[in-house]
Amino acid sequence: DQQVKQNSPSLSVQEGRISILNCDYTNSMFDYFLWYKKYPAEGPTFLISISSIKDKNEDGRFTVFLNKSAKHLSLHIVPSQPGDSAVYFCAARGYGGATNKLIFGTGTLLAVQP
Amino acid sequence: SAVISQKPSRDICQRGTSLTIQCQVDSQVTMMFWYRQQPGQSLTLIATANQGSEATYESGFVIDKFPISRPNLTFSTLTVSNMSPEDSSIYLCSVRVGSRDTGELFFGEGSRLTVL
Repeated sequence: DQQVKQNSPSLSVQEGRISILNCDYTNSMFDYFLWYKKYPAEGPTFLISISSIKDKNEDGRFTVFLNKSAKHLSLHIVPSQPGDSAVYFCAARGYGGATNKLIFGTGTLLAVQP
Repeated sequence: SAVISQKPSRDICQRGTSLTIQCQVDSQVTMMFWYRQQPGQSLTLIATANQGSEATYESGFVIDKFPISRPNLTFSTLTVSNMSPEDSSIYLCSVRVGSRDTGELFFGEGSRLTVL
């Protein structure tokens, strides 16, 4: 059972436009969410996170929105740049437990066209 | 942040053999995590490696298949035993920097294994 879902395997956007990557989750115990970016032949790198007590977190061109009632979060990239082309993973963490392990989505491949 | 180095970066292995992946971190960390990413799949946690104690395995993963060592606070190994083509994956080592509740995971570059 996939607890974190990224239903769009790929997304293509023109340079300068907005990229919106979506993520849905099923477990209401998740209370911390993260986005990772992965280039080919590299490990995932942390991009931005949001706690469930917030509905928005912004860092430069990247903004994450959280809708707890809908169990949905999204990552907005504005403006999109060709260097943003990568696979983006959404991840969720439940509070408590010894490891607070991350549950990852399957990723969305973003292609930003020059 | 943390700098994580993994060896090998990639390998092609024969069915039935075993391969050990090494993970070196540039700072001391309590827990190290091993993930697997099968083709087209999400990153899945295999186990958590604690220094001085047995690794904790997630459902679906067992010590006989994925033995882990954690001899000190900066190093860990994951062995993929008796490999089959289904074990062809990217294996990733990671550590958490920061608090347990909000610290981010940092990942190594991954070890891409292809089993023939």
